[in-house]
Amino acid sequence: DAGVIQSPRHEVTEMGQEVTLRCKPISGHNSLFWYRQTMMRGLELLIYFNNNVPIDDSGMPEDRFSAKMPNASFSTLKIQPSEPRDSAVYFCATPGGGELFFGEGSRLTVL
Amino acid sequence: DQQVKQNSPSLSVQEGRISILNCDYTNSMFDYFLWYKKYPAEGPTFLISISSIKDKNEDGRFTVFLNKSAKHLSLHIVPSQPGDSAVYFCAASVGDDKIIFGKGTRLHILP
Repeated sequence: DAGVIQSPRHEVTEMGQEVTLRCKPISGHNSLFWYRQTMMRGLELLIYFNNNVPIDDSGMPEDRFSAKMPNASFSTLKIQPSEPRDSAVYFCATPGGGELFFGEGSRLTVL
Repeated sequence: DQQVKQNSPSLSVQEGRISILNCDYTNSMFDYFLWYKKYPAEGPTFLISISSIKDKNEDGRFTVFLNKSAKHLSLHIVPSQPGDSAVYFCAASVGDDKIIFGKGTRLHILP
């Protein structure tokens, strides 16, 4: 298995633009987590899904953030409109065998 | 309010000596604890875990100690090697629920 696959790896955009981050989880893993990493706050849990259903989105910072998981093999995290303070590395992760498997992350820079 | 706290942002240790990374938690319901290691431009990778029914788990040079009464866990690396230089995240969960991470501690192994 290729592991958790995220795209894009890097995104530079201007304030106000829409950003869509994508994640392909490991096949057969039924849960999916979106995390955001910043220097100030470390790894923050934004939202997690179980069997494609959002279970807890209390970590989503604002209404500008939304996440979907239309099927077991794909999830998106969307920011609209983006702001400079959204600049961070966004990770997708899926659990299995007692651990979380992370993707390589999407580094977002909002100018 | 941070449920998982890593109060040391960084730590420097001489090569060959013991590295001790500390983590405190506030939620007494946490029953599973994990340590992750992160290199720059990569996703976090699983290092070692411990269930709340144990107070120690060892894997090679890595040992995790859990003190439930103090709500404290620590990761010991001995002997420390240059490749251990990374950011280490402590994480905790309640059963199969969401996994909460600390802010991380950057470990520098000095030659």
